Amino acid sequence: NAGVTQTPKFQVLKTGQSMTLQCAQDMNHNSMYWYRQDPGMGLRLIYYSASEGTTDKGEVPNGYNVSRLNKREFSLRLESAAPSQTSVYFCASRDNRNQPQHFGDGTRLSIL
Amino acid sequence: EDKVVQSPLSLVVHEGDTVTLNCSYEVTNFRSLLWYKQEKKAPTFLFMLTSSGIEKKSGRLSSILDKKELFSILNITATQTGDSAVYLCAVEAISSGSARQLTFGSGTQLTVLP
Repeated sequence: NAGVTQTPKFQVLKTGQSMTLQCAQDMNHNSMYWYRQDPGMGLRLIYYSASEGTTDKGEVPNGYNVSRLNKREFSLRLESAAPSQTSVYFCASRDNRNQPQHFGDGTRLSIL
Repeated sequence: EDKVVQSPLSLVVHEGDTVTLNCSYEVTNFRSLLWYKQEKKAPTFLFMLTSSGIEKKSGRLSSILDKKELFSILNITATQTGDSAVYLCAVEAISSGSARQLTFGSGTQLTVLP
């Protein structure tokens, strides 16, 4: 069972470069989420998609864009990377019943 | 603004000890409280709590929610080195857009020494 798959696992960028993080789930879940996790902090919500065709801002959306390409895939784009965006990024999904979110293994992103 | 506070931030114990991790919250439109265990990679789900006073149990782990006092505890008995991890508490609430969102605490780093 693949669950939630994120690519790439690691990436190093220079300031100003652009990058798209990919996320795909095979559980037929309606809702998908992007979080970032910084040292000593919990996960903070960047964007989410409650269903195919909809996206909404979370707690920390500045500097990011998202696309819900279809029900399976939800991508996160950094148009002009900044060192403050160095973080570990997690994608998650859930269905619309009273079930927990399932997380991918994360993408470790460093911006120099 | 929704807030979730976990304590302690870190804890070091020896194998066989019992630990209690705390989570307090202030959220509007509360739906549930979740506990996750995070080792090197993805947070893995432990418990989802929606009702006060009903203990959820899985092996040596148990958790309970108090919706009046707005807190939850996670107990781990007879700890093992494999329990070493960050334990995350998250509260699920309904956002203004009717979607369910999680707000996470900063986690408790548990280290179990042999």
